[in-house]
Amino acid sequence: EAGVAQSPRYKIIEKRQSVAFWCNPISGHATLYWYQQILGQGPKLLIQFQNNGVVDDSQLPKDRFSAERLKGVDSTLKIQPAKLEDSAVYLCASSLGRGRGEQYFGPGTRLTVT
Amino acid sequence: SQKIEQNSEALNIQEGKTATLTCNYTNYSPAYLQWYRQDPGRGPVFLLLIRENEKEKRKERLKVTFDTTLKQSLFHITASQPADSATYLCAFGGTSYGKLTFGQGTILTVHP
Repeated sequence: EAGVAQSPRYKIIEKRQSVAFWCNPISGHATLYWYQQILGQGPKLLIQFQNNGVVDDSQLPKDRFSAERLKGVDSTLKIQPAKLEDSAVYLCASSLGRGRGEQYFGPGTRLTVT
Repeated sequence: SQKIEQNSEALNIQEGKTATLTCNYTNYSPAYLQWYRQDPGRGPVFLLLIRENEKEKRKERLKVTFDTTLKQSLFHITASQPADSATYLCAFGGTSYGKLTFGQGTILTVHP
């Protein structure tokens, strides 16, 4: 089966600009996650969707980050305006259901903010 | 606040030896934990899941233990190979909806 797809793979922007990332989860996976992974750290959950509803966005900086998952499939994560500290890899993951199962990760988008 | 700590940033071992990675947690009562492998430039890949009522889980050369008294999980790779070189992440979960909290990872290097 096809894995989690993400695009773009790399993005370089200047601070105060905006950027958007796209994720297509594994077909049939109801749960979708966006993580931020700063160099040398583990992934940090930004937002979790169950179908097209938000389950957890407690660590999402809502003044600049937004995410949506229309029709319960694809998802986009947006940053506006970007700050230097947003430089990181943004990982999308999906899982089959709501619960304790394994998560399948995409390759990530490496964002550099200059 | 909740804290998850993997014992070292880097671990170097010789091929054929057993690699042991440690994951400790404080101010937390996870219902389960998972271990992932991450190669450079790629997303994490799931390896094993162990629940709080399980002491040990095995899969091929991998073994994970979960000690809720010590608040610790150990991850073992037996007969290690250079191909096992990667970053290994532990992640704890305690909610019903599958939220994971990751440790910072341990970089394992297996020397031929």
